[in-house]
Amino acid sequence: QSALTQPRSVSGSPGQSVTISCTGSSSDVGSYDYVSWYQQRPGKAPKLMIYDVTKRPSGVPDRFSGSKSGNTASLTISGLQAEDEADYHCSSYAGTYTFVVFGGGTKLTV
Amino acid sequence: QVQLQESGPGLVKPSQTLSLTCTVSGGSIISGGYFWSWIRQEAGKGLEWIGYSYYSGSTNYNPSLKSRISVSVDTSKNQFSLKLNSVTAADTAVYYCARELSSGQIDYWGQGILVTVSS
Repeated sequence: QSALTQPRSVSGSPGQSVTISCTGSSSDVGSYDYVSWYQQRPGKAPKLMIYDVTKRPSGVPDRFSGSKSGNTASLTISGLQAEDEADYHCSSYAGTYTFVVFGGGTKLTV
Repeated sequence: QVQLQESGPGLVKPSQTLSLTCTVSGGSIISGGYFWSWIRQEAGKGLEWIGYSYYSGSTNYNPSLKSRISVSVDTSKNQFSLKLNSVTAADTAVYYCARELSSGQIDYWGQGILVTVSS
């Protein structure tokens, strides 16, 4: 059982937008602005897509955006493309003892 | 561009110790501000943070694994290592090494190595 809760799957058509939620608690998502999102294609390592809730690393398309409200963070992908089909994992800083918690991952089908 | 590469046995017997090494290239492991971490992923499941070592040797571990794990750094080889003892089938997973920021966010990952625990 993962500490953060994500939907098992979401889907959308090319050009549409989808939002993936990530629900934690006041001990992690709700307390720190250190939520990140990772894209993972089959058989590959995760890739950082969003960090510090809303920031994009260099090279990540601006179609990817992040937000947070209370204990829930969200990843929105607009203008869906076939290449966006992948698993998406969220994570949050959870303090010096627990340090990092992850969600169970969401499979995006385009 | 920092690159990380895991190495080690792909098969470990139950009750034995899983030992993996991560070789870092394109950057120095003694660069301040980064933690050198291990994360694992069971087949079809989410990611699980295992723990990290700073270049100085200070460590932090997942409380649920703390009694069985050790992460260490070899600055002379620009490598860091994971040891997980008393393994069971539940430890079968893909193990990733990674560079982690102090915020817990991971900017570079290794390609991952599948470790199977079986007799």
